[in-house]
Amino acid sequence: EPEVTQTPSHQVTQMGQEVILRCVPISNHLYFYWYRQILGQKVEFLVSFYNNEISEKSEIFDDQFSVERPDGSNFTLKIRSTKLEDSAMYFCASSEQGGHQPQHFGDGTRLSIL
Amino acid sequence: DQQVKQNSPSLSVQEGRISILNCDYTNSMFDYFLWYKKYPAEGPTFLISISSIKDKNEDGRFTVFLNKSAKHLSLHIVPSQPGDSAVYFCAASPGGSSNTGKLIFGQGTTLQVKP
Repeated sequence: EPEVTQTPSHQVTQMGQEVILRCVPISNHLYFYWYRQILGQKVEFLVSFYNNEISEKSEIFDDQFSVERPDGSNFTLKIRSTKLEDSAMYFCASSEQGGHQPQHFGDGTRLSIL
Repeated sequence: DQQVKQNSPSLSVQEGRISILNCDYTNSMFDYFLWYKKYPAEGPTFLISISSIKDKNEDGRFTVFLNKSAKHLSLHIVPSQPGDSAVYFCAASPGGSSNTGKLIFGQGTTLQVKP
């Protein structure tokens, strides 16, 4: 069964450094998402992406964050200058269509900021 | 942000019995609801969904019920199996012409099914 893959599974970074989290969505999916889950808290929406542009972003997704689909398979989340509070599990998801379609999630990248 | 709430942090049931997980929402604009299951060190796995035009959707052992007037949905698992032990998340998606698919999640309910 096709799945969303995320790399790395765990990323440790010094505060202030840039980090790029990578995702390979399911191949025929057109809509892509990033979510995060801080330890002990809810899964929170960050951004949705369709047709090479951001469809919607949350308040969390400030100027330090960016997303890119550099080629036909990868979808990346970049945090330009990491802060301690960016430590969380980051999940990538994709869906075949927008709207009433289930999103399929990767296993996440655990980001630890020191 | 409490738009989607799962008020029971945990639930324990005996194998073979019914598990009922509950979810409440406050935003009447939500028109699509999903349940996800999550094991430790894995991402959420899609289980079942329901559109607001329906009040019930069934898939094997899993049934989701939606009560729009009460802004309440529930997931029934019958019969429950030990492998169902996981964290279950309810999620909702706002509707409308600008629907981007954004999901808003509840806090999750940890289900333990005892053999």
